Amino acid sequence: EVQLVESGGGLVQPGGSLRLSCAASAFTFSSYWMSWVRQAPGKGLEWVAYIKHDGSEKYYVDSVKGRFTISRDNAQNSLSLQMNSLRAEDTAVYFCARDPVEGSHWAEYFQHWGQGTLVTVSS
Amino acid sequence: DIQMTQSPSTLSASVGDRVTITCRASQSISSWLAWYQQKPGKAPKLLIYKASSLESGVPSRFSGSGSGTEFTLTISSLQPDDLATYYCQQYSNYPRTFGQGTKVEI
Repeated sequence: EVQLVESGGGLVQPGGSLRLSCAASAFTFSSYWMSWVRQAPGKGLEWVAYIKHDGSEKYYVDSVKGRFTISRDNAQNSLSLQMNSLRAEDTAVYFCARDPVEGSHWAEYFQHWGQGTLVTVSS
Repeated sequence: DIQMTQSPSTLSASVGDRVTITCRASQSISSWLAWYQQKPGKAPKLLIYKASSLESGVPSRFSGSGSGTEFTLTISSLQPDDLATYYCQQYSNYPRTFGQGTKVEI
């Protein structure tokens, strides 16, 4: 069974940094597009970033461009999100998600999700 | 960016009712639409992809239809376990965007 386990969330001051991780198992991690999706408390879902299976393509929502960096370590089956210059509006549960198609040339939808990790940006 | 608008925002129905949720895209997305179910405190769960394809393991009372800019998610006979918020999501363009959600109350 596909497993995605996020970690690294916590309380951080505005302007601070945090690095989220997602440990993947039970599938060939290096063959799938991976993504981060977030959900502010009581709000809807917002896609944050995508990375291609080989790391050659990355996409971001405008609100995090220049502040967040998505990366992956295929040898360690791990996805990361480096978040810098954090703002109060970045407060959310961050989900790691996997695309449906192995080896796809383009990203599609989110077939598998982790349980999420909470990031709180507050002084 | 493609805006996704769901209606209604909240829906109250009884067990056994047929329920329909609408999702409209601000421009054509062909059939590149997915539907998710999210229960309180849980991660979203994929229900439908490519507008009308049922994800494996999802009960057949869920169905999707539409193309272009207008889409619907239908629950043919509402069950107590269907209490949740439902989201549509387009994957035609970047940034990927979600509807604001429809909360289904029993």
